[in-house]
Amino acid sequence: KQEVTQIPAALSVPEGENLVLNCSFTDSAIYNLQWFRQDPGKGLTSLLLIQSSQREQTSGRLNASLDKSSGRSTLYIAASQPGDSATYLCAVSEAAGNKLTFGGGTRVLVKP
Amino acid sequence: NAGVTQTPKFQVLKTGQSMTLQCAQDMNHEYMSWYRQDPGMGLRLIHYSVGAGITDQGEVPNGYNVSRSTTEDFPLRLLSAAPSQTSVYFCASSYDYRAYEQYFGPGTRLTVT
Repeated sequence: KQEVTQIPAALSVPEGENLVLNCSFTDSAIYNLQWFRQDPGKGLTSLLLIQSSQREQTSGRLNASLDKSSGRSTLYIAASQPGDSATYLCAVSEAAGNKLTFGGGTRVLVKP
Repeated sequence: NAGVTQTPKFQVLKTGQSMTLQCAQDMNHEYMSWYRQDPGMGLRLIHYSVGAGITDQGEVPNGYNVSRSTTEDFPLRLLSAAPSQTSVYFCASSYDYRAYEQYFGPGTRLTVT
């Protein structure tokens, strides 16, 4: 059974520092990996989708890498801002369809 | 485009009552799914559908029923609510069952007393 882990569970950084969020998964037979942002009491907003054949994906200040063989993905957020404070979730899509298995999330606080 | 919409936003039920959580999308997506989010358990898949008329069970299907009569709608029915079903429920959709980006609704916060 696929298991997805995100460490640390919480992270606090000063504004302007780069954020590095980690995601690991146990079964490398994935179709894709998706990073989401969730604000308190809100739904999930998709940030980046990396296909299994890709090594990385970029959008603005966000960059996500994928290493299938080691079962790891990293989300980098450059020059963090207080507005980046949220919970970040990673999820992998199983090879047998589009069912997502989620990690527990990393709660990020960016201090002004 | 409204994206994925869910109603109601909040609901309180008594044990044993039934209700339907509504989910609709206007993106002509074939694939739709339901997740529940619980503290310490993360998000878990309840049911999913790869197209109208086709549904299947996810990781935690017990106590829930779904049907998919149209591409746009994917309601989730609680047959006899239990306190263990207190959770936040999210509906999601994607272009089809393959490796496409998934879009989530705003969620329904359900409390069963």
